[in-house]
Formats: sequence, C-alpha cells, structure tokens
Amino acid sequence: GIQVEQSPPDLILQEGANSTLRCNFSDSVNNLQWFHQNPWGQLINLFYIPSGTKQNGRLSATTVATERYSLLYISSSQTTDSGVYFCAVESNQGGKLIFGQGTELSVKP
Amino acid sequence: DTGVSQNPRHKITKRGQNVTFRCDPISEHNRLYWYRQTLGQGPEFLTYFQNEAQLEKSRLLSDRFSAERPKGSFSTLEIQRTEQGDSAMYLCASSLVSGGTQYFGPGTRLTVL
Repeated sequence: GIQVEQSPPDLILQEGANSTLRCNFSDSVNNLQWFHQNPWGQLINLFYIPSGTKQNGRLSATTVATERYSLLYISSSQTTDSGVYFCAVESNQGGKLIFGQGTELSVKP
Repeated sequence: DTGVSQNPRHKITKRGQNVTFRCDPISEHNRLYWYRQTLGQGPEFLTYFQNEAQLEKSRLLSDRFSAERPKGSFSTLEIQRTEQGDSAMYLCASSLVSGGTQYFGPGTRLTVL
C-alpha cells in the first residue's frame, strides 16, 4: 500500500520563526490533506491540496504530485500553532486516507 | 453546516463490556469513514461507507467490531467484548465525494480498564 513519511518528527521554534514541514508519499494520489491536531484531539483541516499551491494567512502549502511530495510552510509562528501536523493521502483506488506519523511542533514564547 | 458530530466524547468501560459509538456526518455527505488513533500515532483507517453500503474494511477491524450506516445517514461503531488494546480515540469523517475533502469529528476517546 501507499506509504506516507513526514519530516521532521519534532520541531521546536521560537515565536516569530518560520518553518517548513515535509510529506513524501510513495504513489500517485487522488487527495492530499494537511491537518493540525489540537490538544483535545480534533483534526482541523488546513489544506486540501492534491497538487499546486495554496495560501491561507500565515500558512501555505505546495504539492508537487509528479515528485510525490508536499510542503507546509508556517510563517511568523505563534504559540497557538503548537500541536501535531499530519499529512494524509488518498490513493487513486479511492476511499481511505493514509496518514503520516505527524510532525510535533512546539512554539516557545 | 454543523460539522461532523460524535457521541459520546468519552467512554470508560471495563474489559469484556460492549460499547457503541455514534457519528453524524455533515448533511448530504455520501461518504462516511471511521478511523482509530492510538497515542503518538497517526489515525488508521477502519472502514468506510458510500451511503448505506460498507465498501471497505481494514484488517484492523476484527470480528469484535461492527459498523452500520442504516439509511445512509448516521453511523454506529460497536465493539463487543472490549479489550485493553481497544483503548484509543475513534474518529469519524465524512466527505461529499470520493477524493474530496474529508472533515473529521471531535472523536470518541475510549478507555478500557
């Protein structure tokens, strides 16, 4: 089955710093989503981005489908950005999302 | 659009008991998914429905697990004879179409004592 790898596994930043999170996947995908999981476990949609580039405030994402990777950029990080960021893909066979192991981000004041 | 809702939010049970969770998807979403997440891991797929039809089940879904989606609206996930290894967060998601954005509910956290 399709494999999803995220890096780095952990990241510690000072408030105001920028960061890049990476997601590599092993096969063609129908769907790629980035999520932020809050301390209560809720998965919050950040981007639906099977290809191309999108921006939402301080966050932006780029997926290069032909090279099977996606990047999530966080600029001017805030303490509220802390938490676990997941990348998840849906294969061309459709249906389930396959999640990476996540990147745990900690933003210090 | 009220989002995906799940009940209960927390469940504590003793080993060997049966538990049932409910998921209400976003209205008009045809697809409904169940995932399980254990501590420190990403969510893992359990099963999904297209309307009332259950289209795929993971091998994680042992014979003790059963899911239904009567009438293609809400869904229930039942675990019979719970084991301590069943302790996890159970997440439900829905989407309008295959390949579309999946929206997740707040989850049901199960603790088996």
